[in-house]
Amino acid sequence: AQSVTQLDSQVPVFEEAPVELRCNYSSSVSVYLFWYVQYPNQGLQLLLKYLSGSTLVKGINGFEAEFNKSQTSFHLRKPSVHISDTAEYFCAVSDQYNFNKFYFGSGTKLNVKP
Amino acid sequence: EAGVVQSPRYKIIEKKQPVAFWCNPISGHNTLYWYRQNLGQGPELLIRYENEEAVDDSQLPKDRFSAERLKGVDSTLKIQPAELGDSAVYLCASRERGSYEQYFGPGTRLTVT
Repeated sequence: AQSVTQLDSQVPVFEEAPVELRCNYSSSVSVYLFWYVQYPNQGLQLLLKYLSGSTLVKGINGFEAEFNKSQTSFHLRKPSVHISDTAEYFCAVSDQYNFNKFYFGSGTKLNVKP
Repeated sequence: EAGVVQSPRYKIIEKKQPVAFWCNPISGHNTLYWYRQNLGQGPELLIRYENEEAVDDSQLPKDRFSAERLKGVDSTLKIQPAELGDSAVYLCASRERGSYEQYFGPGTRLTVT
């Protein structure tokens, strides 16, 4: 089975500063990777996904993530955050044999301060 | 296009009472998922349907939880009787055949007192 680790439970950052949210996974087969954002009292919204090809993927709201197979990581980045980016971010993984099944990390709360 | 619809959004019940949650997936999405999200955690799969067939219910506590998707469209998740530890957000998601993405509804926040 897959597993996902999001080491940072909370990340405080000032507005307009860059941010990186870390995600590491464990898997013995090829993976598909996703980042979701959850605003308070809402469901999860897909930010971006890696299926294959270029290891740098761009998503909505100015976010991007880089797939690093050797480090089994898929870190999420944004060069300049806004107050509206305050939310919880979840990394998820599935694999080539069971792409139906997602395994989620425990989430990282991004708190953007003015 | 309408997203995944869930109701109710919030539910407060006393322990030992029954409760039901309803989900209507995005039109045309044949795969439907129910997840439970405990406070401070990521979603955990309870059950997955392909059309009307439950193909993965290994994480569903079958002594008190049940689910159905009779016509392969909307679905109901039931808990009977509820326990204090069932307090969580119950999320429904759907996926279109051939796609890798899951689309989530807003969830039902259950509080068991």
